[in-house]
Amino acid sequence: AQSVTQLGSHVSVSEGALVLLRCNYSSSVPPYLFWYVQYPNQGLQLLLKYTSAATLVKGINGFEAEFKKSETSFHLTKPSAHMSDAAEYFCAVKTQDTGFQKLVFGTGTRLLVSP
Amino acid sequence: DAEITQSPRHKITETGRQVTLACHQTWNHNNMFWYRQDLGHGLRLIHYSYGVHDTNKGEVSDGYSVSRSNTEDLPLTLESAASSQTSVYFCASSATAGTGELFFGEGSRLTVL
Repeated sequence: AQSVTQLGSHVSVSEGALVLLRCNYSSSVPPYLFWYVQYPNQGLQLLLKYTSAATLVKGINGFEAEFKKSETSFHLTKPSAHMSDAAEYFCAVKTQDTGFQKLVFGTGTRLLVSP
Repeated sequence: DAEITQSPRHKITETGRQVTLACHQTWNHNNMFWYRQDLGHGLRLIHYSYGVHDTNKGEVSDGYSVSRSNTEDLPLTLESAASSQTSVYFCASSATAGTGELFFGEGSRLTVL
């Protein structure tokens, strides 16, 4: 069964610093992978997705992620953190369930950005 | 614009009472899902539906039920609320074909006293 593991429940960075949020996946088939962001008291919204096209995927708000099959990773990065990036980030993988599809989520990483 | 709405956004109830959380989507998606979100557990799948009259149990379905009488709605019912069901509940939907991308509602915060 497909699954994802997010390393680090909290990541702290200073404003302007590099953001790196880690996600490793387990999948027996080529995966579809997603990063979602959740701002306080809101639902989740899609940041970016990998669907077996380009391995470097660009998303909203300057975020990007690189699919590395050899490392089974799909880490999320942003060159320069902004205070508004403070949120919880979830990695997810698509699974197939008797011909239908659903997403399995990691436990999330809370990004803290200090001035 | 298409959207997915949940109601109520906040609810306080007492142990043993029946509670229903509503979810309505205008995406015309066949797939609908209910998750709960708790500290340290991320998002856990409660129930899901792949179409009208179809319902399936997720990983934490005990004490919850859903029914799907039309494409737009998937209400979540707590038959007899327990304090362990205090949580934030999210409804989501996705298209049958495509990447599996989920569209989420804003969440319903439920407190069981």
